Amino acid sequence: EADIYQTPRYLVIGTGKKITLECSQTMGHDKMYWYQQDPGMELHLIHYSYGVNSTEKGDLSSESTVSRIRTEHFPLTLESARPSHTSQYLCASRSAGNTEAFFGQGTRLTVV
Amino acid sequence: GESVGLHLPTLSVQEGDNSIINCAYSNSASDYFIWYKQESGKGPQFIIDIRSNMDKRQGQRVTVLLNKTVKHLSLQIAATQPGDSAVYFCAENTVLSSNTGKLIFGQGTTLQVKP
Repeated sequence: EADIYQTPRYLVIGTGKKITLECSQTMGHDKMYWYQQDPGMELHLIHYSYGVNSTEKGDLSSESTVSRIRTEHFPLTLESARPSHTSQYLCASRSAGNTEAFFGQGTRLTVV
Repeated sequence: GESVGLHLPTLSVQEGDNSIINCAYSNSASDYFIWYKQESGKGPQFIIDIRSNMDKRQGQRVTVLLNKTVKHLSLQIAATQPGDSAVYFCAENTVLSSNTGKLIFGQGTTLQVKP
């Protein structure tokens, strides 16, 4: 079982609120990723990181931001949530040289 | 740009039959390809991968085939079981530099196993 955790699992929040989705892994992995996934659809890469103090934007434009101050922690922040942000957000990690990425269970975000 | 896609959104098979899930990709700079399985309410789970310099790789009940000429890969599941019911995604690792790459997913195929 993968040691990567996302909190919260479910979040319903009002428009305009600031939110932070947490992702932590205890495997010492350098590479971490955030994906956005609508129900039954593909995963869209929105942010990734190669290590501490390294963050890059993914292929899908996102109004969210990320930080990587510690190896194990890769939080995603939305400064002002909107209904268009309603989706599932998946965090993943893998070690350098390893093809297998481990995913968290996801955070299902609903903005009302 | 790069894209990874699957041919069919849904595949329905009888329990015990073999399943074949297909995927087409467009980025020739990928160094390996991966298949993931996602069950309802869970994050994707790694199944098997294949390096771009390989044509075939076998795992337990699964085989992945890579055809670089037509940029196509497939996942074959032998003796499909009800527990195989899930959404299957192919993904590619796009090489950006010697030690960096990003993992890009294609659209999923929902595998339904009929008892």
